[in-house]
Amino acid sequence: QQPVQSPQAVILREGEDAVINCSSSKALYSVHWYRQKHGEAPVFLMILLKGGEQKGHEKISASFNEKKQQSSLYLTASQLSYSGTYFCGTVTYSGAGSYQLTFGKGTKLSVIP
Amino acid sequence: EAGVTQSPTHLIKTRGQQATLRCSPISGHTSVYWYQQALGLGLQFLLWYDEGEERNRGNFPPRFSGRQFPNYSSELNVNALELEDSALYLCASSLTDKTYEQYFGPGTRLTVT
Repeated sequence: QQPVQSPQAVILREGEDAVINCSSSKALYSVHWYRQKHGEAPVFLMILLKGGEQKGHEKISASFNEKKQQSSLYLTASQLSYSGTYFCGTVTYSGAGSYQLTFGKGTKLSVIP
Repeated sequence: EAGVTQSPTHLIKTRGQQATLRCSPISGHTSVYWYQQALGLGLQFLLWYDEGEERNRGNFPPRFSGRQFPNYSSELNVNALELEDSALYLCASSLTDKTYEQYFGPGTRLTVT
């Protein structure tokens, strides 16, 4: 089951903040966040494991609410370099000791001067 | 350290033909994943190989197949190509399983005419 991301697209001015949400209908083992710039491959941002932890990298951080099966990505004081499509990937148990990583459709973030 | 490499960069085939795409993971990575990225559909999981074995596959027909070689490189085969197979095919590698971050290659752009 593909996770649902919201919003689908957002336009920010430099310095503004944004939140991207990712929700799943299945119990989550972990959540991945990636960013893909136009014409480039996706790049890993961070992974959040069960336990409701929050991780951060500079001005980009994320939280994982295991009970609500949701994760949110927080971008503060956005920079032009933050532009791109953000994908969340949810890891769920698919049986027989195997896990499935499923990506959402992405959130297109555009930062303008 | 070299990243994930994929070949060819572009591939043009006609309906009904077969396509073979290749991927070399980062040195030391044993897991290889294949994704299809068609316009507007995000990253669709195709296949996961680890230690030479297929660990999981996404919701794609059997004409999508692949294998992983002893040196952990991998190839994706698409038989009986259809127009809707036109997409960017991304390969990613990770250390072991899906709890680790995935590193993506630049992709192979497959066009079916």
